[in-house]
Amino acid sequence: DIQMTQSPSSLSASVGDRVTITCRASQGIRNDLGWYQQKPGKAPKHLIYAASSLQSGVPSRFSGSGSGTEFTLTISSLQPEDFATYYCLQHNSYRTFGQGTKVEIK
Amino acid sequence: QVQLQESGPGLVRPSQTLSLTCTVSGGSIINGGYYWSWIRQNPGKGLEWLGYISYTGSTYYNPSLKSRLTISLDTSKNQFSLTLSSVTAADTAVYYCARESSLYDRNNFDYYYVMDVWGQGTTVTVS
Repeated sequence: DIQMTQSPSSLSASVGDRVTITCRASQGIRNDLGWYQQKPGKAPKHLIYAASSLQSGVPSRFSGSGSGTEFTLTISSLQPEDFATYYCLQHNSYRTFGQGTKVEIK
Repeated sequence: QVQLQESGPGLVRPSQTLSLTCTVSGGSIINGGYYWSWIRQNPGKGLEWLGYISYTGSTYYNPSLKSRLTISLDTSKNQFSLTLSSVTAADTAVYYCARESSLYDRNNFDYYYVMDVWGQGTTVTVS
């Protein structure tokens, strides 16, 4: 089974900050990775696919990078609506979510 | 626009079988190219992929749940369902159904899978 290790588990940031979240796969997964945003009481929303391609309608302040085993999600300038929990999801073999990163207001 | 809606009992007794249904509206469940998925979220925890069924009826399960989990299609009702046997308190969670689509990425000349439509989730308590 492929394990996804996401870090940090939580972070505090201010509006306008640059935020980076990392996901590490237990084995190489090419770029078969997406990122999702979840707000309290809501279903997740898809942000990025193929590790770095932005889903239509997602603000350009979100970006993704990486391939193989190391991946990052970056929010270039944090906005109030971005405070949420973020998950990576690999689809190279079955499906595995990372543990999540909660982005909180500092 | 495709919408998904989970339904089922909110309370299940330990050792019994949990059964949930996801009703798909706005599109046919047998239109090609989609996987119909179940995901759950234990209280205050992260997301766990449970499994999916393709439009052809092929199933893929999380290995940790494979012995207890069944996902099926009901094309006449445009629904897909989950049954999880021998439940314990650890199965208490919000259960989501989702549609997984394939997207073609021009940069990589390859297809990628995204969970692009989700239900609102239904809470199941095992007690």
